[in-house]
Amino acid sequence: GAGVSQTPSNKVTEKGKYVELRCDPISGHTALYWYRQSLGQGPEFLIYFQGTGAADDSGLPNDRFFAVRPEGSVSTLKIQRTERGDSAVYLCASSFDRLRGYTFGSGTRLTVV
Amino acid sequence: EDQVTQSPEALRLQEGESSSLNCSYTVSGLRGLFWYRQDPGKGPEFLFTLYSAGEEKEKERLKATLTKKESFLHITAPKPEDSATYLCAVAWGNQFYFGTGTSLTVIP
Repeated sequence: GAGVSQTPSNKVTEKGKYVELRCDPISGHTALYWYRQSLGQGPEFLIYFQGTGAADDSGLPNDRFFAVRPEGSVSTLKIQRTERGDSAVYLCASSFDRLRGYTFGSGTRLTVV
Repeated sequence: EDQVTQSPEALRLQEGESSSLNCSYTVSGLRGLFWYRQDPGKGPEFLFTLYSAGEEKEKERLKATLTKKESFLHITAPKPEDSATYLCAVAWGNQFYFGTGTSLTVIP
């Protein structure tokens, strides 16, 4: 596609539920990042994929968070047993080269009630 | 300790009133400094990458410069459509560290 697509754009879930957030990167982009952005803050790194593998998952806050990219394109961020503190905008970005400018999606706004 | 600090947090300018935004960083071994623009409800939009001290990049009314410890985003004769949050990020290792941004409002 022309840009990075993230679905859903908004997700409201109850505390304790499981959610999946999807990212469709720009075709051919091998590098993919997930970030989390809270109101008034800059994006916070979660995980970086180079191809199919997670090259750096040091930003995942705990073991309730997991991400996959099985075929090196679409990525899914999975959050188990959601907590109210997980509420934020989850951003995905992709690039040909991780040191070049990244194209971000519009994000998924997750609200845990 | 914050790796990236942006100032001011918010800036209001009259249309045509030039100014500069600051991004200071403390990481060593910088592998690139990035400027992004973010509109409400949207993801950040890439503006510039700077790799070495002394480098400058320009795009329309925006000019980014880089020294060994900070970067400036100069806005010349801004227009209301330049209103947005401007984020800077530094590449270090596999990660990008973002600042908290400067919210710019340009008043007609």
